[in-house]
Amino acid sequence: GAVVSQHPSRVICKSGTSVKIECRSLDFQATTMFWYRQFPKKSLMLMATSNEGSKATYEQGVEKDKFLINHASLTLSTLTVTSAHPEDSSFYICSASDAGRNQPQHFGDGTRLSIL
Amino acid sequence: TQLLEQSPQFLSIQEGENLTVYCNSSSVFSSLQWYRQEPGEGPVLLVTVVTGGEVKKLKRLTFQFGDARKDSSLHITAAQPGDTGLYLCAGPCRNTGANSKLTFGKGITLSVRP
Repeated sequence: GAVVSQHPSRVICKSGTSVKIECRSLDFQATTMFWYRQFPKKSLMLMATSNEGSKATYEQGVEKDKFLINHASLTLSTLTVTSAHPEDSSFYICSASDAGRNQPQHFGDGTRLSIL
Repeated sequence: TQLLEQSPQFLSIQEGENLTVYCNSSSVFSSLQWYRQEPGEGPVLLVTVVTGGEVKKLKRLTFQFGDARKDSSLHITAAQPGDTGLYLCAGPCRNTGANSKLTFGKGITLSVRP
C-alpha cells in the first residue's frame, strides 16, 4: 500500500524558533500533498494544498508567511512554521495521493509540535 | 459548501456489542472514504466507496454507500477494544479534478470497553 512518511514525529522548541516538518511519499509519486492541523479530539483542518513545482494554495485564514510550504520534488513536501509561538502548538499531519480521480489520500503519522 | 455530518459524536460500548455510525450530507459525493485514527497517529484509510448502494466488508466492519451517494454508514460487529479510535469520513470537494482536496466530517470517537 501507499506509504507516507512524516518527520519528525515530535518537536519541542522555544518560542521564536522556526521548525521544518518533512512529508515524503515512499512508494509513489505525489504531485499533490496536503497539510492539515488537528486540535485535540477534533477533526482535521486543511491548511494548504502543496503542488509540486508551483506555489501552495492556502485555505482562508491560514497565514502563508507563517506556514511556508515547499514541494521540492514528486516525493517531498516541507512545512516550515516560522517564528513559532505557543499558539502554534498543535498536531500537524500531511497526506498525499496518487494522481487520478477518486484516489484516496494516505496520511503520515503526524508531527506533535510543542512551543514553550 | 459540502458538509459531512457524522453521528453520533461519541460512543462508548462494551466489547462484543454491535454498532452503526453514520456520515450524512445534503450533497452528492463521487466517493466517500472512511479513516480510523488513533491518538498521536495519522488517519489510516479503511475503505473507499464509489458506487451508490455499494457495500464493502473489512473483517467485522461493513461499509455502505447510500443509493444517492449522499450518505454512508459503518457497522461494526462484535466490537473489540482494538476498534477504539476516531472514525472520520471524508469526500472529495466538488468541481475539483484529480488529487482533490477532501472535506472531513467532525469524526466519531468510539471507545470499546473490555
